[in-house]
Amino acid sequence: AQSVTQLGSHVSVSEGALVLLRCNYSSSVPPYLFWYVQYPNQGLQLLLKYTSAATLVKGINGFEAEFKKSETSFHLTKPSAHMSDAAEYFCAVCTSYGKLTFGQGTILTVHP
Amino acid sequence: AAGVIQSPRHLIKEKRETATLKCYPIPRHDTVYWYQQGPGQDPQFLISFYEKMQSDKGSIPDRFSAQQFSDYHSELNMSSLELGDSALYFCASALGDQAYEQYFGPGTRLTVT
Repeated sequence: AQSVTQLGSHVSVSEGALVLLRCNYSSSVPPYLFWYVQYPNQGLQLLLKYTSAATLVKGINGFEAEFKKSETSFHLTKPSAHMSDAAEYFCAVCTSYGKLTFGQGTILTVHP
Repeated sequence: AAGVIQSPRHLIKEKRETATLKCYPIPRHDTVYWYQQGPGQDPQFLISFYEKMQSDKGSIPDRFSAQQFSDYHSELNMSSLELGDSALYFCASALGDQAYEQYFGPGTRLTVT
């Protein structure tokens, strides 16, 4: 079965600092991986996706993620955090028929 | 651009009542997914439909049923509601049955008292 594990349920950074949210996957087949962001009381917005093309994936709002097969990782990064980045972030893997299996989520707090 | 529409946005029901949640996919999308997100939890897949047929099933209780109609909208019917059913229910739509890009609606927040 395919799954993802997000390391760290809470991450706190200062405005302007590097954002690094960790995600490791488990899959017996080449995975399709996603990062979603959820603002309070809102739906899930797709940040970026990896579908076996380029290993470095660029998404919206300045985020990017790198697929590393050797490390089974798909960490999300952003060079400089903004206050508006404060939200919960979910890593997800696509299983059969497009079904998404999500990680436990990481709440990002950005301090002024 | 048109997005996924879910109604109602908020719903309050008592235990043992029934609830119906509706999802209207993005125009031309033929696949619908339902997810349940409990408080402080990650979304859990419930069920999906492609071209009006059930395509996959997850951890959906027997008390729940769903279908996709000829206009591709979908309804999730929940009976004998329990306190534990209180959650945010998301619908996502996609194009095709092996779609790897799903667009999520804003969710329906169900509170069971």
